[in-house]
Amino acid sequence: GENVEQHPSTLSVQEGDSAVIKCTYSDSASNYFPWYKQELGKGPQLIIDIRSNVGEKKDQRIAVTLNKTAKHFSLHITETQPEDSAVYFCAASKTDKLIFGTGTRLQVFP
Amino acid sequence: GAGVSQSPSNKVTEKGKDVELRCDPISGHTALYWYRQRLGQGLEFLIYFQGNSAPDKSGLPSDRFSAERTGESVSTLTIQRTQQEDSAVYLCASSPSGGLDYGYTFGSGTRLTVV
Repeated sequence: GENVEQHPSTLSVQEGDSAVIKCTYSDSASNYFPWYKQELGKGPQLIIDIRSNVGEKKDQRIAVTLNKTAKHFSLHITETQPEDSAVYFCAASKTDKLIFGTGTRLQVFP
Repeated sequence: GAGVSQSPSNKVTEKGKDVELRCDPISGHTALYWYRQRLGQGLEFLIYFQGNSAPDKSGLPSDRFSAERTGESVSTLTIQRTQQEDSAVYLCASSPSGGLDYGYTFGSGTRLTVV
């Protein structure tokens, strides 16, 4: 079945620096790759997603890249701010559901 | 409502008791998902409902777990004879349709503690 690996598990950056989180997946049939942000005590919130017909997508300070050949995709956050501190999850589609990575706890220090 | 609503937000139960967790999806969303999130871990798929189709129960960890959905509205997740390893946050998500055309919207979850 689909397996999604996510690295690193924790990431600490200085405010203003960039943060990169990487995921790999195993099922070549996966075609939808969302990223979720989860703040303490809340449910995960979709922040950006990418489909397999696109290699890169940007939304202000957030970008996602996809390499289908290598089966990996990455989240890039530029000019990080303290409010970016949260747990980030990647996911890959498996038929009609999502399989999630194990999460990355991002801490942005002022 | 405007979002996915889950109740209760917190539940403490004694080992061996049954619990019911409720999810109200966004109105009009035909797809509904349940996930389990153990402390410090990722989201584990449990079950998926899409319209009137038979649910995908492939993620339910044991026969103590079951879920129902009334039409395209409320869903309840039932855990019978709870065990300490059932302690987790149970998350519900809904989507306008199956096929992941629109992604998921999650509720805030029910934190279940089995003592």
